[in-house]
Amino acid sequence: EVQLVESGGGLVQPGGSLRLSCVASGFTFSSFWMSWVRQAPGKGLEWVANIKQDGSEKYYVGSVMGRFTISRDNAKNSLHLQMNSLRAEDTAIYYCASPGAEVERRAPFDYWGQGTLVTVSS
Amino acid sequence: EIVLTQSPGTLSLSPGETATLSCRASQIVSTRYLAWYQQKPGQAPRLLIYGASSRATGVPDRFSGSGSGTDFTLTISRLEPEDFAVYYCQQYGSSPWTFGQGTKVEIK
Repeated sequence: EVQLVESGGGLVQPGGSLRLSCVASGFTFSSFWMSWVRQAPGKGLEWVANIKQDGSEKYYVGSVMGRFTISRDNAKNSLHLQMNSLRAEDTAIYYCASPGAEVERRAPFDYWGQGTLVTVSS
Repeated sequence: EIVLTQSPGTLSLSPGETATLSCRASQIVSTRYLAWYQQKPGQAPRLLIYGASSRATGVPDRFSGSGSGTDFTLTISRLEPEDFAVYYCQQYGSSPWTFGQGTKVEIK
């Protein structure tokens, strides 16, 4: 059974930092691009970033570029999101998401974690 | 960035009826890269349709996707009680990947 388990969310002040993690199991983690998707309270979904299988390519949505860094550790089946200079508008549930079979970058998200809540507030 | 606009915002229907959800893109989206997701309160999204018309594993055949270019449709035939939820379209062909704002299908 595929499982994606996020952790690391919490309350942080504006301008602060937080590091999210996602541990994967039940599939060959190193074979797939991995993504972070967020959802502000009561709002829709927003793709945040993705990373290639070997970590050599990373892409971000414009609103987080230069502030967030996605990374992965294939030996530990883990995905990370380092979030710096956090703003109130970064408040959201952050989901780790993965394709199910497609190994290319342009793939739908078959699997999702349960999400971890990040709240940016003073 | 490709903007996806979903309509209507809310659809009020009774079980057994057919729901027709629209997703319009600001630029042409390859049919290979258009997906639909279902989300229920307190849950993560669930992939329903990928490649505009292919059902994901385990998705009932009452869910069907169609469309091309800039206009895509998700049709839910014979609505079941468990189908009342929010539905999102997504394009993953042109970075950044984008989602529509969602259509809520509620019980009338």
